Amino acid sequence: AQSVAQPEDQVNVAEGNPLTVKCTYSVSGNPYLFWYVQYPNRGLQFLLKYITGDNLVKGSYGFEAEFNKSQTSFHLKKPSALVSDSALYFCAVRDIPNNAGNMLTFGGGTRLMVKP
Amino acid sequence: EAQVTQNPRYLITVTGKKLTVTCSQNMNHEYMSWYRQDPGLGLRQIYYSMNVEVTDKGDVPEGYKVSRKEKRNFPLILESPSPNQTSLYFCASSLVGRQNSNQPQHFGDGTRLSIL
Repeated sequence: AQSVAQPEDQVNVAEGNPLTVKCTYSVSGNPYLFWYVQYPNRGLQFLLKYITGDNLVKGSYGFEAEFNKSQTSFHLKKPSALVSDSALYFCAVRDIPNNAGNMLTFGGGTRLMVKP
Repeated sequence: EAQVTQNPRYLITVTGKKLTVTCSQNMNHEYMSWYRQDPGLGLRQIYYSMNVEVTDKGDVPEGYKVSRKEKRNFPLILESPSPNQTSLYFCASSLVGRQNSNQPQHFGDGTRLSIL
């Protein structure tokens, strides 16, 4: 079985400061890891993914995430937050090769609030 | 433009009155899925489909039905809605196969259902 935990319901950060949104996962095989962002009244938008290779992956809007296999974590980061980054962020995992389909398991979401 | 389209976007109805939420994608994706989003619980999968006439239960299928008669459409049916099905629903699609297992899912903009 695969699972994802996002330990923080909300993260508050001042504009211009670095931000981190935490994610830990549990899989029985190798993970494919994803971050999605949800703006109000919109569906989830893909930000970035880790498949293999370099542990630091870069994605849309200046976001990046670091895969840490020993800590089973995939934290989302950005060096300098913008007010427009305020949204709901979801981490998701797909267990390879134990996944019968393309099933994604999502974390509970973390609301990021960036204040001017 | 590649997209997943859900209708309606908002619906308020009463207990027991059958309803259908439509989902259509124009990307020729084999895989389609329905999720419900509830505060603190993230997205939970209701049903998914690997291809035409192939559907399977997700984590929370009770009270829902789906069909996949055409590749582009994957309607969600609530035969006898109840208040605990009040939620935000998302449809998603993607390609299938191991060679595509690293691809993100594409999401619709969501349908907010209120069952009174």
